[in-house]
Amino acid sequence: ILNVEQSPQSLHVQEGDSTNFTCSFPSSNFYALHWYRWETAKSPEALFVMTLNGDEKKKGRISATLNTKEGYSYLYIKGSQPEDSATYLCASPNNNAGNMLTFGGGTRLMVKP
Amino acid sequence: KAGVTQTPRYLIKTRGQQVTLSCSPISGHRSVSWYQQTPGQGLQFLFEYFSETQRNKGNFPGRFSGRQFSNSRSEMNVSTLELGDSALYLCASSSNQGGAGRAFFGQGTRLTVV
Repeated sequence: ILNVEQSPQSLHVQEGDSTNFTCSFPSSNFYALHWYRWETAKSPEALFVMTLNGDEKKKGRISATLNTKEGYSYLYIKGSQPEDSATYLCASPNNNAGNMLTFGGGTRLMVKP
Repeated sequence: KAGVTQTPRYLIKTRGQQVTLSCSPISGHRSVSWYQQTPGQGLQFLFEYFSETQRNKGNFPGRFSGRQFSNSRSEMNVSTLELGDSALYLCASSSNQGGAGRAFFGQGTRLTVV
């Protein structure tokens, strides 16, 4: 069983602030790193799947970086908006023989207008 | 393309009963995974089915079981329900076999055991 950890557990920011969260995972036997956004009363939605060391992905105001050698990924949100309020989850597959994901505990982001 | 559909959305059961939850994946997706979320816990992996075979299994007791049909629809069964089984159960489908494909989640089934 992998150990995937996220910090902080929760974060309150003002609208317009930029913020970032961390996901740490075992650097050995790395296959991929997933980021999901989970809004209240909705389904978790994939943001990024990253596989290469040094990978950077961007989707609008949200971006992510990956360091597989040291076992961490950062998720950045630029100019947070109230609609960014959600729980952000990272996950790593346990092996490359399936889709068994181990999730971190999540970072709950609340953006105040 | 229709998303992942889970039924029912809500269930209330009594301790000792059994329950079956259903998940219809996105058309063409052959991998279906099940997760449990309880208050204070993150998403915990239950099992994954691919082409009607269980491919991965998490650390849950044997009371939790599942199956997949030839049309990729999957069911999850929990027997002899306990209060601690109260949780949100999510299923996810994926088209990729190697762990690098994004998972598409259903809206979940909220199970309450009383």
